Amino acid sequence: GAVVSQHPSRVICKSGTSVKIECRSLDFQATTMFWYRQFPKQSLMLMATSNEGSKATYEQGVEKDKFLINHASLTLSTLTVTSAHPEDSSFYICSARLSGSYNSPLHFGNGTRLTVT
Amino acid sequence: SQKIEQNSEALNIQEGKTATLTCNYTNYSPAYLQWYRQDPGRGPVFLLLIRENEKEKRKERLKVTFDTTLKQSLFHITASQPADSATYLCALPGSGNTGKLIFGQGTTLQVKP
Repeated sequence: GAVVSQHPSRVICKSGTSVKIECRSLDFQATTMFWYRQFPKQSLMLMATSNEGSKATYEQGVEKDKFLINHASLTLSTLTVTSAHPEDSSFYICSARLSGSYNSPLHFGNGTRLTVT
Repeated sequence: SQKIEQNSEALNIQEGKTATLTCNYTNYSPAYLQWYRQDPGRGPVFLLLIRENEKEKRKERLKVTFDTTLKQSLFHITASQPADSATYLCALPGSGNTGKLIFGQGTTLQVKP
């Protein structure tokens, strides 16, 4: 069964509004979660590493003030897309590891399809 | 900079044949490489991991090879089935000891009955 739950699965919002996406680890604690973005027919692009109890680490080119990440508990990380614009429309996916070992697999949520009109 | 390349063209094969997908990388010396499957509108699902000191790894109908000299991994699906149709992604560890994974663009496999 799923080990990472993501909500909502789809969201449509108006340009200029903010959208929050939740990522929960089910039955395990995730001190680190990873947020990816995927445009149609393209690969997953890592946006940021979410660390429980501390600031997220953003990849080069990702605006931290636009994509706010909060990892306030060991089972929940949230990504807020602030002042969304149509170019932010994409598929956002979170992931986490069951094990602390760096080479262990990533478990992904089923993604959130964001459409900004 | 680190670069991962997968064949962006879709691979179409007949049911029962072996599918072979390629993942090449440059400016990397990864300690391991992973393969994932992604279905449309879903998150990727882990398939196999192979370490730098392993030449080959098998799991049921799947086989992965890892050639650190060629900087290449091959992913094979034997006796392919229409249900194997999906996009397959290779992933390597990102820079720094952070546990992040960097993905290739994926190759879409279509198995025809």
